[in-house]
Formats: sequence, C-alpha cells, structure tokens
Amino acid sequence: GNSVTQMEGPVTLSEEAFLTINCTYTATGYPSLFWYVQYPGEGLQLLLKATKADDKGSNKGFEATYRKETTSFHLEKGSVQVSDSAVYFCALKDNYGQNFVFGPGTRLSVLP
Amino acid sequence: DGGITQSPKYLFRKEGQNVTLSCEQNLNHDAMYWYRQDPGQGLRLIYYSQIVNDFQKGDIAEGYSVSREKKESFPLTVTSAQKNPTAFYLCASSPTWGPPDTQYFGPGTRLTVL
Repeated sequence: GNSVTQMEGPVTLSEEAFLTINCTYTATGYPSLFWYVQYPGEGLQLLLKATKADDKGSNKGFEATYRKETTSFHLEKGSVQVSDSAVYFCALKDNYGQNFVFGPGTRLSVLP
Repeated sequence: DGGITQSPKYLFRKEGQNVTLSCEQNLNHDAMYWYRQDPGQGLRLIYYSQIVNDFQKGDIAEGYSVSREKKESFPLTVTSAQKNPTAFYLCASSPTWGPPDTQYFGPGTRLTVL
C-alpha cells in the first residue's frame, strides 16, 4: 500500500538557519504530494503541493520538488524564523483512491 | 468565508458516556474525513465519506460511529466502546471528482476523558 516516511524530529534550529525535512514515499502510479503545517493547538494547513514529477511547490519561502526517480519530496527553506516553529506533515494522494496518506510529522523548533 | 468548523474546541467526557463531535463545511465538498491525532504522532483515519448517505471505515473505526445525512455535515460519535478516546480529533474535506486535490482541515476538537 501507499506510505510516507519522514525524518524523525524534533528538529531544533537557530533563526536564519537552513532547513531540510526529508520525505520519501511509496505509491502506485503518480501521486500528488503535499506538505501541511500544524501550529500548536490548531488543525493542519496546506503549505505547498506538487502534482507531477519535477514540479516544484513553493509558499512562504518553503520549497519542495517532486522527485520521481528518488520518490522524494523534501521540504526546504533558506532562512527559518521563530514563527516557523510547528509540526510539518508530508502527505500523498494517488489517482485511484480518495484518501490521503500522511507521514508521522516532524516537529520544528526555531530558537531566537 | 468558506471553511470547516468543528465544535466544541474542548470536550470533557466521563467514562462510559457517548459524545458527539460536530463538523460542518460550506466548501461544497463531496468528501469528508475524520482523523485522530495522539501526542507526538501523525494522523490516523477513523471514517470517511465520499457522498451523502455513504461512509466507510478507516484504519481505526472501532468504538466510533458517523453519519452523513447532509453534504455539509459529518458528525463523529465517540462511544463508550472506545477504550482510549482522549485525543485531538480533526475533520477534513476535499473535492471528490477530478485530479487529487487539497484536503482542508478544521481547527480540531480536543477530547479528554475524565
């Protein structure tokens, strides 16, 4: 079945550091890939998405590129801020089913 | 504004009681979902519904029940059969037809069993 694997957290960085959160997936066909962010006590918000190979999703300084050859969708940001502290979830949805598959989430803490 | 609302934000239940969590959406989405999130863990699918009057069990449906009588509403009942119901519950919706699309989430309900 489909699955998503993320790097284990927590990830602790200083403000303005470079961020990478790894995400790899297993799926049949060509899924769409997503990154969601969850701030404390809230629901999930879509951060970015990519629907086909080599697409790059970007939003609020975050980027992720759909790499079919390595089945990856790593999240990156060049300079993190304290306000980026949250839990980040990688997810996929294939073209056959209606359900999303989420990774376990990676907690990011950014220190001033 | 279009979106998903969940109520209440915090809910306390005594052991042996059933409780119902509300989820309403005005996005005109066909599909709706219920997830459970435990501390430090990801999301686990409880139930989902692709169309009115139809729903399917997710990965952890035991001890839960749902109904989908209206397109915009998908309430979740946590029954006394659920052995460990304390968790954060998230409702979501998405368009059903066409290419895979974004899933939109409500703000969540935190359920605590006393």
